[in-house]
Amino acid sequence: GIQVEQSPPDLILQEGANSTLRCNFSDSVNNLQWFHQNPWGQLINLFYIPSGTKQNGRLSATTVATERYSLLYISSSQTTDSGVYFCAVRLAYNTNAGKSTFGDGTTLTVKP
Amino acid sequence: DGGITQSPKYLFRKEGQNVTLSCEQNLNHDAMYWYRQDPGQGLRLIYYSQIVNDFQKGDIAEGYSVSREKKESFPLTVTSAQKNPTAFYLCASSILAGGRTGELFFGEGSRLTVL
Repeated sequence: GIQVEQSPPDLILQEGANSTLRCNFSDSVNNLQWFHQNPWGQLINLFYIPSGTKQNGRLSATTVATERYSLLYISSSQTTDSGVYFCAVRLAYNTNAGKSTFGDGTTLTVKP
Repeated sequence: DGGITQSPKYLFRKEGQNVTLSCEQNLNHDAMYWYRQDPGQGLRLIYYSQIVNDFQKGDIAEGYSVSREKKESFPLTVTSAQKNPTAFYLCASSILAGGRTGELFFGEGSRLTVL
């Protein structure tokens, strides 16, 4: 099956700093999502970004599908950004629509 | 409001008992999924369903069972055959046609502890 690798596994920042999280995948995908898991376990949808660049406030994401990676940028980080960030992908030729594979996540801690 | 509702949020059971986790969605999504998350790890797919009365095994289906009798509902039973049932269980749904096919939306999760 497809392999999804996220880096770094852990990241500690001071409030106000910027960061870049990376998601590498081993095969062609037609669906890529970024999620934020809050301390209560809920998964919040950040981006649906199979290709291209999107921005939402302090967050932006870029997926380069031909090179099999995606980046999540967090600018001017806040303590509420803390949590685990997951990347999830779905194979381009997967006839079982919506069967997504998750990476192991990046745990972000933002200190005040 | 539209969304996915999981219940219960917390569940404690004795070893050897079957337990059923509920998942209901009012988003009119075609597909529904169950994922399992262990501490410090990502999500692993247990079962998924694209249409009523049909479902497929995911990567870790052993010891679990599901049903899809209604489009809105996809309950998960954790059977006594599941060797390590203590985990966080997440239900999701998605559409299967259109520009954002397969985009997952999650419920708040159910935390199962087997004593």
